[in-house]
Amino acid sequence: DAKTTQPPSMDCAEGRAANLPCNHSTISGNEYVYWYRQIHSQGPQYIIHGLKNNETNEMASLIITEDRKSSTLILPHATLRDTAVYYCIVSYYKLSFGAGTTVTVRA
Amino acid sequence: DTAVSQTPKYLVTQMGNDKSIKCEQNLGHDTMYWYKQDSKKFLKIMFSYNNKELIINETVPNRFSPKSPDKAHLNLHINSLELGDSAVYFCASSQDLPGGQYEQYFGPGTRLTVT
Repeated sequence: DAKTTQPPSMDCAEGRAANLPCNHSTISGNEYVYWYRQIHSQGPQYIIHGLKNNETNEMASLIITEDRKSSTLILPHATLRDTAVYYCIVSYYKLSFGAGTTVTVRA
Repeated sequence: DTAVSQTPKYLVTQMGNDKSIKCEQNLGHDTMYWYKQDSKKFLKIMFSYNNKELIINETVPNRFSPKSPDKAHLNLHINSLELGDSAVYFCASSQDLPGGQYEQYFGPGTRLTVT
């Protein structure tokens, strides 16, 4: 039931920025874009969310296009500990997790 | 201090048994959830409680019954366990913010194996 499309996997070099794309062309006006990640065998971890404007916190930046049909999560300086499955979710009330993007950070 | 805790971490049991998984959050959140992550790694919501009131009940067999004694606890009781119930079960909580936005904090998970 996920309403987002993400690449199944991507690699990133340690210390470089990781840009994770997400398409959500059917997003409704009141739905937020959320990003979570799940490191192996752990519970999902909230990263960031936004509605229309770009957002930044201590973990990442979220860039949402003006038409809100796509977004990019930016991890500014990827470390090995950022290796995880990253989920992009559009939701007003209930989170629906898709397959996500498996990000592997390589030394 | 652990924000969202679950017990037990591992649970191995036989088909037909009844078991419970406990969840506690010390974040003062109003809403708690149960999710199931199957072998294919898809994470699906099962239930959600807000201030001890059931607000989300997905298509889950009625063998699964959540119970919220207070807003800091949401337990999951499973009757007549089946092989297909084997999965990792995650508890989560959130403090709902205006406009439907919220951040969910997840527990470490309970790996249930039914033999």
